[in-house]
Amino acid sequence: GENVEQHPSTLSVQEGDSAVIKCTYSDSASNYFPWYKQELGKRPQLIIDIRSNVGEKKDQRIAVTLNKTAKHFSLHITETQPEDSAVYFCAASKPPPGGGADGLTFGKGTHLIIQP
Amino acid sequence: NAGVMQNPRHLVRRRGQEARLRCSPMKGHSHVYWYRQLPEEGLKFMVYLQKENIIDESGMPKERFSAEFPKEGPSILRIQQVVRGDSAAYFCASSPPSLSGIISYEQYFGPGTRLTVT
Repeated sequence: GENVEQHPSTLSVQEGDSAVIKCTYSDSASNYFPWYKQELGKRPQLIIDIRSNVGEKKDQRIAVTLNKTAKHFSLHITETQPEDSAVYFCAASKPPPGGGADGLTFGKGTHLIIQP
Repeated sequence: NAGVMQNPRHLVRRRGQEARLRCSPMKGHSHVYWYRQLPEEGLKFMVYLQKENIIDESGMPKERFSAEFPKEGPSILRIQQVVRGDSAAYFCASSPPSLSGIISYEQYFGPGTRLTVT
């Protein structure tokens, strides 16, 4: 099955600097790669996603890049703010036989700490 | 537009009891997924259901765990004879149906049920 590796496990950056979180996946059939933000005790929130027919996607201060050949994708957050502090999870999935979207395989998470 | 609803938010069970967790997907969504999150860990996929059908239960433990999504009512994750190792946060997520062959991949999560087994 799919295996998703995520690095680093903890990332501390100064407020205003950029943060980059990287993930690799193993199953070349995976074609959907979302990123979730989870604050302590809260639900995971979808912040951005990318599909395999796209190399890069941007939404304000957040961007995701995908390299299908190397099977890795990254989350970039620019101009970090204190409210960006949270745990970030990458995930991957592929279309199941039954249609719809398959279950997501998650990385272990990155604890992002924004230092004031 | 209400999001994904889960109840109860917190559930305490003694070893050997049964736990029933409920999930109501977002309005218009027909796909439900259940995930388990152990403390300080990522989410692990358990099961994917559509109305009255289990599509993929590859992440579900073979014993004591079952899930359903009936034609009417919420999806239910049932854990029989709970053990301490079942203590975790259980999240469900929903996604919209495919329309005209276009798959909607986005999954939106509920607030979770935190199960504690004493």
